[in-house]
Amino acid sequence: EAGVAQSPRYKIIEKRQSVAFWCNPISGHATLYWYQQILGQGPKLLIQFQNNGVVDDSQLPKDRFSAERLKGVDSTLKIQPAKLEDSAVYLCASKGNNYGYTFGSGTRLTVV
Amino acid sequence: AQKITQTQPGMFVQEKEAVTLDCTYDTSDQSYGLFWYKQPSSGEMIFLIYQGSYDEQNATEGRYSLNFQKARKSANLVISASQLGDSAMYFCAMSPRGISGGYNKLIFGAGTRLAVHP
Repeated sequence: EAGVAQSPRYKIIEKRQSVAFWCNPISGHATLYWYQQILGQGPKLLIQFQNNGVVDDSQLPKDRFSAERLKGVDSTLKIQPAKLEDSAVYLCASKGNNYGYTFGSGTRLTVV
Repeated sequence: AQKITQTQPGMFVQEKEAVTLDCTYDTSDQSYGLFWYKQPSSGEMIFLIYQGSYDEQNATEGRYSLNFQKARKSANLVISASQLGDSAMYFCAMSPRGISGGYNKLIFGAGTRLAVHP
């Protein structure tokens, strides 16, 4: 089966600009996650979707981050405006039944 | 709140030797899963092994085994016969089991960087 697709692979923007990341999960996976991984740290959950509904967005900085999963398939994560501390790898993951989490290759964001 | 602690920022091992990466966790949940992931320099998270909190036997997957000590809340990863390609970051993670029986979010530790020397 195809894996979790993410784009772009890399992105460099200036602070205060906006950026969007895209994720296409494994077909049939109802649960989708966005994680932020700052250099030298473990991934931290930003938001969890179940189909097209939000399950957990308690750690999403809602003043600048937004995410949607229209139609319960692919998802977009947006940052507007970006800050220097948003520089990180943004990982998308999806999960089917049981414990099968699958991660995408991530988007490496650099804010200058 | 759940927490994962990995106390070894870096480890090194000689090729073909075994290595243990430490992981302790804190949770008040009775049912949960423990996971180990490998993250090479390319950035993807590769699933290695899973252990359910009610599993009595330690999990094994090829050269990987999980030393699960529930009373101590530890879930150490053992890699036998290390290979050069094992050099990477390794993350321990846990997920509490929800009311419906499924797992939700993964909570990660800070990771351990493993270097395998020839």
